[in-house]
Amino acid sequence: GENVEQHPSTLSVQEGDSAVIKCTYSDSASNYFPWYKQELGKGPQLIIDIRSNVGEKKDQRIAVTLNKTAKHFSLHITETQPEDSAVYFCATLIDSGYALNFGKGTSLLVTP
Amino acid sequence: DTAVSQTPKYLVTQMGNDKSIKCEQNLGHDTMYWYKQDSKKFLKIMFSYNNKELIINETVPNRFSPKSPDKAHLNLHINSLELGDSAVYFCASSQTYRGDSPLHFGNGTRLTVT
Repeated sequence: GENVEQHPSTLSVQEGDSAVIKCTYSDSASNYFPWYKQELGKGPQLIIDIRSNVGEKKDQRIAVTLNKTAKHFSLHITETQPEDSAVYFCATLIDSGYALNFGKGTSLLVTP
Repeated sequence: DTAVSQTPKYLVTQMGNDKSIKCEQNLGHDTMYWYKQDSKKFLKIMFSYNNKELIINETVPNRFSPKSPDKAHLNLHINSLELGDSAVYFCASSQTYRGDSPLHFGNGTRLTVT
């Protein structure tokens, strides 16, 4: 667990374009990789997650890919819409496995 | 109807005071958490309780004392507040104590210490 680096810290795209956010982790034993979306004034909300036995997972316009060898996982949002504007957090499990360790967040702005 | 609710939403207080934040979940979950989000949006685990039993205490100062009267409630009491305690505090719940059990967050309590 521990140590998850997230990039970029801010991302601005035009409506309809794709957005990609990447996280790198240090513990090769990590096996659970969720993504949370936080809208202004609200708590984070789980949008998609992936486990280490799967390389890619899709849910409509969002997808997560995992590269275990390189120890990174990415969030892909296609056909972005203004309502996708939010802060996105990746996470890994802390050492005990009983809670999440979040990345520093990516502020995504989708302009019409 | 709200799944995880926290009160108050805003809390402004002076240094040295003692304050409490309350959290309730109606999802029937076994596990509840407190996370702290600082001014740079960094989100860090503070505590977790599973069925009223403390599971995680992540090097939080003793001035912070969580209390879980039952599995649907987790309160946070903070003594001798300091300027650095200013942050948004999020309560969350999950079905089990496993870290891969999806978290359901409340909308946060913004604490400002002056």
